[in-house]
Amino acid sequence: EIVMTQSPATLSVSPGERATLSCRASQSVSSNLAWYQQKPGQAPRLLIYGASTRATGIPARFSGSGSGTEFTLTISSLQSEDFAVYYCQQYNNWPGYTFGQGTKLEIK
Amino acid sequence: EVQLVESGGGLVQPGGSLRLSCAASGFTVSSNYMSWVRQAPGKGLEWVSVIYSGGSTYYADSVKGRFTISRDNSKNTLYLQMNSLRAEDTAVYYCARSPYGGNPKTYFDYWGQGTLVTVSS
Repeated sequence: EIVMTQSPATLSVSPGERATLSCRASQSVSSNLAWYQQKPGQAPRLLIYGASTRATGIPARFSGSGSGTEFTLTISSLQSEDFAVYYCQQYNNWPGYTFGQGTKLEIK
Repeated sequence: EVQLVESGGGLVQPGGSLRLSCAASGFTVSSNYMSWVRQAPGKGLEWVSVIYSGGSTYYADSVKGRFTISRDNSKNTLYLQMNSLRAEDTAVYYCARSPYGGNPKTYFDYWGQGTLVTVSS
């Protein structure tokens, strides 16, 4: 099983600032990585797939980068609606799709 | 518009059974890969099971032998039969669609709102 490790567990950032979230895979997943956003009481929402491709309707302030074992989600200028929990998911090793434990992005 | 609506959750005793349903609209379940993903209270996401468009099914080790994924093409509905339930199966269960049915290296582009399963005596 590929283990996904996200850091930090909690990130405190002020609105308007940049947020950088990290995700590391225990072995290479190529570019087969997705990012999701989840708000309290809601289902996850797909943000990024293929490590760097924004899903339909996702604002340009969200960007993904990386390949192999190291990945980053960057939110360039935080809006109030961006404060949520973010999960990465690898889908290179199938069907054992695995998620990171999540990073909570909170208002500073 | 793609929609996924889960139902069937509830309170069940340890060792009991429950069947979850996920009614789909806006696409055909048999054309896409469909998964169940769960989230224990206050915890992260855990993939549970997938059914590929060709009908192949796979399970996480934690539920193998106890859960069965299936679909009814005539009803455009996905199911998860859960037997021998344990306290650690307590979670919100989401059905999730993969964007296509031709590549098992896949992510989840649409999710239902989830249904809560509580296993407790």
